[in-house]
Amino acid sequence: QQQVKQSPQSLIVQKGGISIINCAYENTAFDYFPWYQQFPGKGPALLIAIRPDVSEKKEGRFTISFNKSAKQFSLHIMDSQPGDSATYFCAASSIYGGSQGNLIFGKGTKLSVKP
Amino acid sequence: EADIYQTPRYLVIGTGKKITLECSQTMGHDKMYWYQQDPGMELHLIHYSYGVNSTEKGDLSSESTVSRIRTEHFPLTLESARPSHTSQYLCAARAHTDTQYFGPGTRLTVL
Repeated sequence: QQQVKQSPQSLIVQKGGISIINCAYENTAFDYFPWYQQFPGKGPALLIAIRPDVSEKKEGRFTISFNKSAKQFSLHIMDSQPGDSATYFCAASSIYGGSQGNLIFGKGTKLSVKP
Repeated sequence: EADIYQTPRYLVIGTGKKITLECSQTMGHDKMYWYQQDPGMELHLIHYSYGVNSTEKGDLSSESTVSRIRTEHFPLTLESARPSHTSQYLCAARAHTDTQYFGPGTRLTVL
């Protein structure tokens, strides 16, 4: 059972456009929701993260929107650039239930930004 | 921020060989993880450790083994490599905070 569902699997956006990637989760105990960015041949790098006490967090061109009641969160990339082309992973974790905060990852979204 | 080092970065080896993938971190983080990932695909947790002498199997069954006899070191061993082990192996570390840091990965090819 996949606890974090990510969509779309791939996304093509024109330069300057908005990229939107969505994730949904089942476990209401999740209390930390990060997004990771991974370039080919590299390890994933933390991009931005949010906790459920806020509905939105913005860092530069990257924004997380969080909807606790719907158990969904999304990544918005404004003014998308070719350099943003990468695979993006959402994740979720909880310190409860014995997992000690192990991250549960979505399956990833491959973003291509066309010049 | 954690500095996580993985060696080798690339490894091509024949079937049946024993290999050890090295992972080390310099910040004294308690929690360390190994993931298996085909390029650009989803991350599969194969092993994790919450501290010295603590190791657990992850969600994806793996023929590899790990050890944690020092906080900073979390090596992964395959006793007998097979072509099905060809993949990228990512090491990660996390302190008591939530932020998890990944190493650059080892790309393993078994012929």
